Amino acid sequence: QVHLVQSGTEVKKPGASVKVSCKVSGYSLTELSLHWVRQAPEKGLEWMGGFDREDDKTIYAQSLQGRVTMTEDSSTDTAYLEVSSLRSEDAAVYYCATLGVVGAALDFWGQGTLVTVSS
Amino acid sequence: DIQLTQSPSFLSASVGDRITITCRASQGISNDLAWYQQKPGKAPKLMIYAASALHSGVPSRFSGSGSGTEFTLTISGLQPEDFATYYCQQLNSYLALTFGGGTKVEIK
Repeated sequence: QVHLVQSGTEVKKPGASVKVSCKVSGYSLTELSLHWVRQAPEKGLEWMGGFDREDDKTIYAQSLQGRVTMTEDSSTDTAYLEVSSLRSEDAAVYYCATLGVVGAALDFWGQGTLVTVSS
Repeated sequence: DIQLTQSPSFLSASVGDRITITCRASQGISNDLAWYQQKPGKAPKLMIYAASALHSGVPSRFSGSGSGTEFTLTISGLQPEDFATYYCQQLNSYLALTFGGGTKVEIK
């Protein structure tokens, strides 16, 4: 069973950057394809991107390309999501999730990290 | 990007009812579709993958069907814990794993 634990709430000013972490247990991070999804207040789910383990590359949603960076530290089994040049519309709950451990879907999820963007 | 259109966006139902939610894709996606359940303040939970395969621990009253561009999620015998928002997601185009807009199921 995979367990994902994310870092805590962040409050940032417009223009700043935020880095959210996702600690994996139960599996080695290098065995997983880790993805990120966000949800603005009272809105639906937005896929942000993820790591394609087969092709060894990170794929980003086109709408976020250039402002989002996803990295991994295999020594600590921790994945990171950094969003730069924050805007008010980046205020959301950010989730990490694994793709395809059990089935072809986002099967295990972190608890979410709230990011507030306010001057 | 492949667009997913869910209908209805809101559904009012009673305990014991049978309900169906539809998800339509803008182009064929084979059976590369998943359904998630989300309750307020909680992370989404995977319910169904590959259009019709039940995720571990999901009650058998949930079922999924479809392929190509039209998919359905059916709950047979709605239980109080099933009132939530449901999302479909396509996993056919790996460059953009888009979600549908969601269907909120509320108690009548």
